[in-house]
Amino acid sequence: GAVVSQHPSWVICKSGTSVKIECRSLDFQATTMFWYRQFPKQSLMLMATSNEGSKATYEQGVEKDKFLINHASLTLSTLTVTSAHPEDSSFYICSASSGSSPFNQPQHFGDGTRLSIL
Amino acid sequence: GEDVEQSLFLSVREGDSSVINCTYTDSSSTYLYWYKQEPGAGLQLLTYIFSNMDMKQDQRLTVLLNKKDKHLSLRIADTQTGDSAIYFCAESTSGGYNKLIFGAGTRLAVHP
Repeated sequence: GAVVSQHPSWVICKSGTSVKIECRSLDFQATTMFWYRQFPKQSLMLMATSNEGSKATYEQGVEKDKFLINHASLTLSTLTVTSAHPEDSSFYICSASSGSSPFNQPQHFGDGTRLSIL
Repeated sequence: GEDVEQSLFLSVREGDSSVINCTYTDSSSTYLYWYKQEPGAGLQLLTYIFSNMDMKQDQRLTVLLNKKDKHLSLRIADTQTGDSAIYFCAESTSGGYNKLIFGAGTRLAVHP
């Protein structure tokens, strides 16, 4: 159980285009979804936290107009990188949790999306 | 602020035990987690421990928590080549939505 599917797994596109990444919880309802960015050989950097039906909460330094997050249902969240540029190239990982504090259900992660902007 | 630290690299021989260590700073963390990441993949939840526990064992994995010293360890018994990966320690932050603070990850290399 607790499977999170992320799509696409790899995308290459030209500078200036927008890219949408989907994150789906397949066998549970995800009250909260998280979006992370990971640079090579580094840890995960939390970008934003989203709850179904409400606006995402962005971490300091993350441009909300650049990284649009939508959490329209309890099983789907999307991250859209708008007008992507080479510096946006990275590994993006989503996670989903079925509960929030104080129940603290673990986060379950997708397999990540490697984004390469030419 | 909150911080999680891990050693960056560990090399062990196949069949030996591996011990990966982690220290954290947030004394109000309620849960501590161990995740495994293989190359090019997402994170796989290995195990987690509630802060009022000292130890948790799950098959080959043993987690030890020293809350006084804010020290967490993951022991892998009978380490196999398939255990080669990066292991991340993470603490849950106080407050809502179970935000996690990750360590930098420990790269475990298992050699014959």
